[in-house]
Amino acid sequence: IAGITQAPTSQILAAGRRMTLRCTQDMRHNAMYWYRQDLGLGLRLIHYSNTAGTTGKGEVPDGYSVSRANTDDFPLTLASAVPSQTSVYFCASSANRGYEQFFGPGTRLTVL
Amino acid sequence: DQQVKQNSPSLSVQEGRISILNCDYTNSMFDYFLWYKKYPAEGPTFLISISSIKDKNEDGRFTVFLNKSAKHLSLHIVPSQPGDSAVYFCAASETSYDKVIFGPGTSLSVIP
Repeated sequence: IAGITQAPTSQILAAGRRMTLRCTQDMRHNAMYWYRQDLGLGLRLIHYSNTAGTTGKGEVPDGYSVSRANTDDFPLTLASAVPSQTSVYFCASSANRGYEQFFGPGTRLTVL
Repeated sequence: DQQVKQNSPSLSVQEGRISILNCDYTNSMFDYFLWYKKYPAEGPTFLISISSIKDKNEDGRFTVFLNKSAKHLSLHIVPSQPGDSAVYFCAASETSYDKVIFGPGTSLSVIP
């Protein structure tokens, strides 16, 4: 049982480039989330999805977009990366909104 | 302004002793609190939670105490073990179904 997988594990990206971080879960969870982790700031919610076909904005949504075409996948796209988006990105899922969240291993993104 | 604060970035404890990790919050509407544990290069994992109707919740070596009047909660680990060395995130939400706000984390080192 994989749980949640994220790809890539790490990436170095030139500013201005487009990047999609992938997230897949096999637990058939309804809710999925994207967080970024920055030193001294903890985990901040970027976007979330309560169920397939719906998405919502979190604390820091600017510069990011998401889609939820099906239950399992929740990709995060940076349309035009900027250095301030350098961070570790975690995808998470929960059976339903607010229940215990299960996190993926993270993607370390560096924007130069 | 951070709604969930963990004022100790790090903590060192001898093996076998008690570890006490503290968390303060500013939003009086928070009524559901969680602790997550994170090892390096892994995603956070859920540890324990408490709702505002309780002032204590215990799970094995882990106990969370909630003082709503002081807007303060703490996680006690007794006895501490080297495997407990990790970053601990305090988190809170207004209901168990609302967005979860994470604190910046406290890095715990348990010294053998």
